Amino acid sequence: KNEVEQSPQNLTAQEGEFITINCSYSVGISALHWLQQHPGGGIVSLFMLSSGKKKHGRLIATINIQEKHSSLHITASHPRDSAVYICAVNPYSGGGADGLTFGKGTHLIIQP
Amino acid sequence: DTGVSQNPRHKITKRGQNVTFRCDPISEHNRLYWYRQTLGQGPEFLTYFQNEAQLEKSRLLSDRFSAERPKGSFSTLEIQRTEQGDSAMYLCASSWGTDYGYTFGSGTRLTVV
Repeated sequence: KNEVEQSPQNLTAQEGEFITINCSYSVGISALHWLQQHPGGGIVSLFMLSSGKKKHGRLIATINIQEKHSSLHITASHPRDSAVYICAVNPYSGGGADGLTFGKGTHLIIQP
Repeated sequence: DTGVSQNPRHKITKRGQNVTFRCDPISEHNRLYWYRQTLGQGPEFLTYFQNEAQLEKSRLLSDRFSAERPKGSFSTLEIQRTEQGDSAMYLCASSWGTDYGYTFGSGTRLTVV
């Protein structure tokens, strides 16, 4: 079982819909990241969270540390939001420096 | 500084050849990470540097793989005697540390034929 699980794996929605992507993890973490990857490989960091909620434009990310769960929401979705959204965590290693552990990503397609 | 730069963007090589990739991180970042991503999967951690010191290596990094970060600036990832299973996207990222966000490069896509 992956340490980071995302759902759904694939999501197709109509323009304007409210989108939710979920991430659950099974290890203690110091931070959780939401990343966006477009075709061709480039990865953009959207959010880094250790508690609560962050908002940037139409994107909202929340995290519940006790439940080991995070969600990424997109309001008023647009075709340009089509991408793979990846959840990644910094496993807490007591001051160590582990790299990120990634989920497999959610492939989002927003149709006009 | 325009971000993390990786070269080349694409590399096609014959099985058994050696390849080397380069990553130029954001100059102020002391940490540099290499990840590998195969089709349909999330990236997997390979190795990480703090300044010039290679502090951690994944068990995914076989003896054919070596990474360096001389002078704590750019980094190179070399794969010797490439195999078809090495075909993947190799991603580099840099940061100030785990309390800070990461900046990723666009990756080097390796195809071993």
